[in-house]
Amino acid sequence: KAGVTQTPRYLIKTRGQQVTLSCSPISGHRSVSWYQQTPGQGLQFLFEYFSETQRNKGNFPGRFSGRQFSNSRSEMNVSTLELGDSALYLCASSPGDYSYNEQFFGPGTRLTVL
Amino acid sequence: DQQVKQNSPSLSVQEGRISILNCDYTNSMFDYFLWYKKYPAEGPTFLISISSIKDKNEDGRFTVFLNKSAKHLSLHIVPSQPGDSAVYFCAASATGANNLFFGTGTRLTVIP
Repeated sequence: KAGVTQTPRYLIKTRGQQVTLSCSPISGHRSVSWYQQTPGQGLQFLFEYFSETQRNKGNFPGRFSGRQFSNSRSEMNVSTLELGDSALYLCASSPGDYSYNEQFFGPGTRLTVL
Repeated sequence: DQQVKQNSPSLSVQEGRISILNCDYTNSMFDYFLWYKKYPAEGPTFLISISSIKDKNEDGRFTVFLNKSAKHLSLHIVPSQPGDSAVYFCAASATGANNLFFGTGTRLTVIP
């Protein structure tokens, strides 16, 4: 079974621009979660989508948004980029049925904001 | 606020010895705990988990211990191997939620 894939793997943007990251979950998984990893902060939860609906949201500003498509693929968008948005963005998928399944992570997208 | 804390940013252990990684949490609603391992340029990979109805779970060289009264869990790796060198994240979740709260990670270095 193919794992979680994320594109692109690396991205360089400048302040004020916007960016869209993509995530394809494991086949059959309906839940996709997004996390931001920065040095010293660990992984911070951004939001979770299930069946095209945002089911959970972390404590991030409205510049961070996402969506999920009918095939469970998900995109994350960050508008008006700030230097502090430089981070590794990780996508994770799970069946999503609230059973205690572990989440399976993709390799991440490394975003650098100049 | 950081609801899951890993207070040791790094740990070095000799090959063959025991590695003990610690994690504390503050939210009493957490009832499921996981450990992930992360290599550079890769996403975290699931290692082992424990439900709050247990106090110990073993999987080969890896054992997780949970002390609910102290809101503390630990991961024991015995014997430690150089391939175990990675960053280890502790994570927690609550019933009905499908998001994980992660600690800041502990970098384990196993010295050959």
